[in-house]
Amino acid sequence: DAGVIQSPRHEVTEMGQEVTLRCKPISGHNSLFWYRQTMMRGLELLIYFNNNVPIDDSGMPEDRFSAKMPNASFSTLKIQPSEPRDSAVYFCASNGGSSYEQYFGPGTRLTVT
Amino acid sequence: DQQVKQNSPSLSVQEGRISILNCDYTNSMFDYFLWYKKYPAEGPTFLISISSIKDKNEDGRFTVFLNKSAKHLSLHIVPSQPGDSAVYFCAASARNTGNQFYFGTGTSLTVIP
Repeated sequence: DAGVIQSPRHEVTEMGQEVTLRCKPISGHNSLFWYRQTMMRGLELLIYFNNNVPIDDSGMPEDRFSAKMPNASFSTLKIQPSEPRDSAVYFCASNGGSSYEQYFGPGTRLTVT
Repeated sequence: DQQVKQNSPSLSVQEGRISILNCDYTNSMFDYFLWYKKYPAEGPTFLISISSIKDKNEDGRFTVFLNKSAKHLSLHIVPSQPGDSAVYFCAASARNTGNQFYFGTGTSLTVIP
């Protein structure tokens, strides 16, 4: 099993640019989660999907953030326009089937200058 | 509002001794708790879990204790090994309200050889 796949691993962009982070969950998992890791708040849930449907997006910081899951094997998190305070590590995780524990991808380190 | 708190950002322990990592939560609806371990540049990986119907769960060198009345759990690592040096996240979930986990801010453990 390839595990959760995220791309890119690193992203450096200038303030005001659009950023798109990508995630492929583990095959057979029906829930997908986007997290942001910061020193102050630890792992902060941004949004999660169940069977491709957004269930809870209350963690999305503001309208500049959006997430989609067009099918069971792909999700995107978009920031438009990006700001320096968005700099963080963004993780995608999935679970489902007999697994309640979440499996995390390696993360995308975003730096907005 | 942080529902899961890890008040010790860091901990150093001598190899062979016991490591104790602590976690407090505020939501009495939480009924499932997990510990994740995270190495630099990697995603968190599941370590051990405990259901609220238990007060202890053991897996090799790792034991998690749950004190529901105090809303407190702890992770014990005995004996500690240098390879245990990582950031440890506590997470909690109220399974009857959804698939969402709430994470603490993490504790960085350093095991000194």
